[in-house]
Amino acid sequence: TQLLEQSPQFLSIQEGENLTVYCNSSSVFSSLQWYRQEPGEGPVLLVTVVTGGEVKKLKRLTFQFGDARKDSSLHITAAQPGDTGLYLCAGETQGGSEKLVFGKGMKLTVNP
Amino acid sequence: EPEVTQTPSHQVTQMGQEVILRCVPISNHLYFYWYRQILGQKVEFLVSFYNNEISEKSEIFDDQFSVERPDGSNFTLKIRSTKLEDSAMYFCASRRDREKLFFGSGTQLSVL
Repeated sequence: TQLLEQSPQFLSIQEGENLTVYCNSSSVFSSLQWYRQEPGEGPVLLVTVVTGGEVKKLKRLTFQFGDARKDSSLHITAAQPGDTGLYLCAGETQGGSEKLVFGKGMKLTVNP
Repeated sequence: EPEVTQTPSHQVTQMGQEVILRCVPISNHLYFYWYRQILGQKVEFLVSFYNNEISEKSEIFDDQFSVERPDGSNFTLKIRSTKLEDSAMYFCASRRDREKLFFGSGTQLSVL
């Protein structure tokens, strides 16, 4: 069974602080996706990383895929209250499988 | 931006009853999925559907579950005889190719 472990699970910070969320597995994934989910809504894709070592930036968010394609991180610079939400990582398994394996998520609260 | 539409947003049913959850995927998408999220737990893959047939299903997707694309626009998930443990948020998702996966806002199913 492929598992994705996210840490931390909860984070409450002040506006302007930086943070990093980790997504780790013992399994190799063909790609890894980061989603943001608001209460009562479905996950919304932020980014997909495919190549080991790949780094992608989305405004103040920086995503990195580990060299071995087993782990990923999301770094947020100068967090704002609008960044508050649940951040999920999801791995696309190798071998042509259709399914995404999700982590449990990191609930971020950014206080003004 | 186009979106995946799910109805109803909330469904309450008695144990043993049949429920049908409805989804309208984005019109030019070819791949369709159902995921579910039990409160406080991970988003879990249920089934994928392509070319009018199931392409992959998880161990959760037993004989009580079925999917159908009855008319070329709707995509439904039927649970024949609901159990208490079927209570969850059910998400429909679709994609056109090996691209961005779009999730609907979900149907909250409560089995009493």
